[in-house]
Amino acid sequence: DTGVSQDPRHKITKRGQNVTFRCDPISEHNRLYWYRQTLGQGPEFLTYFQNEAQLEKSRLLSDRFSAERPKGSFSTLEIQRTEQGDSAMYLCASSSPGTSKETQYFGPGTRLLVL
Amino acid sequence: AQKITQTQPGMFVQEKEAVTLDCTYDTSDPSYGLFWYKQPSSGEMIFLIYQGSYDQQNATEGRYSLNFQKARKSANLVISASQLGDSAMYFCAMREGGLLGNEKLTFGTGTRLTIIP
Repeated sequence: DTGVSQDPRHKITKRGQNVTFRCDPISEHNRLYWYRQTLGQGPEFLTYFQNEAQLEKSRLLSDRFSAERPKGSFSTLEIQRTEQGDSAMYLCASSSPGTSKETQYFGPGTRLLVL
Repeated sequence: AQKITQTQPGMFVQEKEAVTLDCTYDTSDPSYGLFWYKQPSSGEMIFLIYQGSYDQQNATEGRYSLNFQKARKSANLVISASQLGDSAMYFCAMREGGLLGNEKLTFGTGTRLTIIP
């Protein structure tokens, strides 16, 4: 069990550019979540997948954001035409259903800075 | 209304002392789960402890315990014998609706804990 991994750990981009982040969940977990965390705040839910199906999307996920999990394993989060307000930490988590806790285990996050 | 409220933006505690981090929550759902996470400066959210709404006893995990007062809708985290490595941000979070309910976690704004040698 190597934990949740995210790549890249840091990303600096210019406004208007597209960026893509990757998340690899814990291998036996079939649920995968994306959160966004801005400075001084707790994480905010963006979307989640069960296997390859995207089951819920937050209103925070504007049409510039798209998330995929094509084979039910890793996931990507793409932001098109980035804006300075997109600067944040993007956190991925995974969980395994069927337990009472269904604890979400988080990755190290990707810090995005939009200049 | 805020679903999770953490009223202590920052706390300073002497090493080896116990510390209580406050968390109150708001839900009308009878089935919910409460979580505490630790976030060091590296950014990763580390799961600490879980309390289910139907659990009869307060949760404990090593030096962490959760003081669950359902009627008051509070779920305070207690860290015993604090260590320098406990310095971090601490977040309280809630999942509503039980196993078949809403999957997302709602987080509070966090408490920054600093342990003083």
